[in-house]
Amino acid sequence: GQNIDQPTEMTATEGAIVQINCTYQTSGFNGLFWYQQHAGEAPTFLSYNVLDGLEEKGRFSSFLSRSKGYSYLLLKELQMKDSASYLCAVMASNYQLIWGAGTKLIIKP
Amino acid sequence: SQTIHQWPATLVQPVGSPLSLECTVEGTSNPNLYWYRQAAGRGLQLLFYSVGIGQISSEVPQNLSASRPQDRQFILSSKKLLLSDSGFYLCAWSVQREPYEQFFGPGTRLTVL
Repeated sequence: GQNIDQPTEMTATEGAIVQINCTYQTSGFNGLFWYQQHAGEAPTFLSYNVLDGLEEKGRFSSFLSRSKGYSYLLLKELQMKDSASYLCAVMASNYQLIWGAGTKLIIKP
Repeated sequence: SQTIHQWPATLVQPVGSPLSLECTVEGTSNPNLYWYRQAAGRGLQLLFYSVGIGQISSEVPQNLSASRPQDRQFILSSKKLLLSDSGFYLCAWSVQREPYEQFFGPGTRLTVL
């Protein structure tokens, strides 16, 4: 079957760094996406990885290892507005996204 | 620039009543269109997707249906709602080429009583 695992909830301190992990087992691989979703709102796109390595975009970076079926999202210089759920999604061989349940990130002052 | 609209934003319906949710996309042509449902604290469940007018693929058997009467219009319907149909319904679009990044509408929160 197809499966994406990520922690249910994480807590971090304002100004710190947090790493959210995602492991996946899917039928084929055509890229991995990270989305941010604030409570009650729609998901918004953060990053896309299709090749191994690190993609950096401002305070956010995303890493991919296809051989390990593993990705992480790294958030630096955390701000209170970063409190949200972070969704990992893999595009499978049929070009449909398989979604993880999301990681709720709580930022404390 | 592209925008995606969904309405209504919230909806409270009795069990057994019909449903019609509408989604429209502006600023792009021939998009892939998607309907998702998200239960509280859960991930996104793909309900339907469409690669063109009149072309609908269903991912989960249920009492919902979808239609795409125009290139940039996607409609989610039900003849008789169930309690289990409550949730957050999201419409999304993507271009028909890599990386197929999906962009979401604001969502409709449906409560079936």
